[in-house]
Amino acid sequence: DAEITQSPRHKITETGRQVTLACHQTWNHNNMFWYRQDLGHGLRLIHYSYGVHDTNKGEVSDGYSVSRSNTEDLPLTLESAASSQTSVYFCASSTGQGFSHEQFFGPGTRLTVL
Amino acid sequence: AQSVTQLGSHVSVSEGALVLLRCNYSSSVPPYLFWYVQYPNQGLQLLLKYTSAATLVKGINGFEAEFKKSETSFHLTKPSAHMSDAAEYFCAVSSNFGNEKLTFGTGTRLTIIP
Repeated sequence: DAEITQSPRHKITETGRQVTLACHQTWNHNNMFWYRQDLGHGLRLIHYSYGVHDTNKGEVSDGYSVSRSNTEDLPLTLESAASSQTSVYFCASSTGQGFSHEQFFGPGTRLTVL
Repeated sequence: AQSVTQLGSHVSVSEGALVLLRCNYSSSVPPYLFWYVQYPNQGLQLLLKYTSAATLVKGINGFEAEFKKSETSFHLTKPSAHMSDAAEYFCAVSSNFGNEKLTFGTGTRLTIIP
C-alpha cells in the first residue's frame, strides 16, 4: 500500500546543530508539505513543494529549508537548531491533480532542541 | 487570505451524547473545507471534506458536517459519542482553485465522559 513515512520519529539535538528530518511518500504525489504542530497554534505551514525542484516558503519558514530532487522525498533541514524549534513536525502530500485537495499525513517527528 | 476559527479548545461530552465541534471560516473565494482527526501520537486522518457538491457531508465513524455559506460555518457533529471518539479535531480550509494549501484551525480536544 502507498504510504508516507517520516524519520526519525524522535530526535533530541543541541542548540546550533544542523538537523535534517526525512519525509518519503510512495503515493507519487506532486505536492508535499511540512508543518509544525505546537499547543495553541494548530498546524502551521513551514515549506511546500509542487514538484521536483520547486520549493516555496510557508508562514513559519525562518530557520528552515527544503529541497526536492525527486518526487518521493522532501527533507526538512534546520540550519542551526534553536530551542524555539522544539515541536512536532508533520509531512503531508497531495496529488496536485484534479480538485481533491486532500492531504495525506505522515506519523510525525518529535524534535527536542536542548 | 483564508482563516479558520475553532470555538472551544476543549470539549467534553458524555458517552452517547451529541458531539458538536464548531468551525467558522473566512475565505475570499469559494472554499474547500475539511475536518481531520488526530489520535494520540499519530498523524492526521481525514474525517470528511466539502468540495462544493452537497452541503451536508458524511464522513467516517458516523461524523457529518454541514456547509452553511450564510453563516460561514462548517460544524462537525455526531449523534452519539463513543469512547473511541476521544481525540483532537482540526478544521481546515483551502481555496477551490489553485494551490491546494490548507490553513488549519487551532484544534479542539474532545473528551468523552463515561
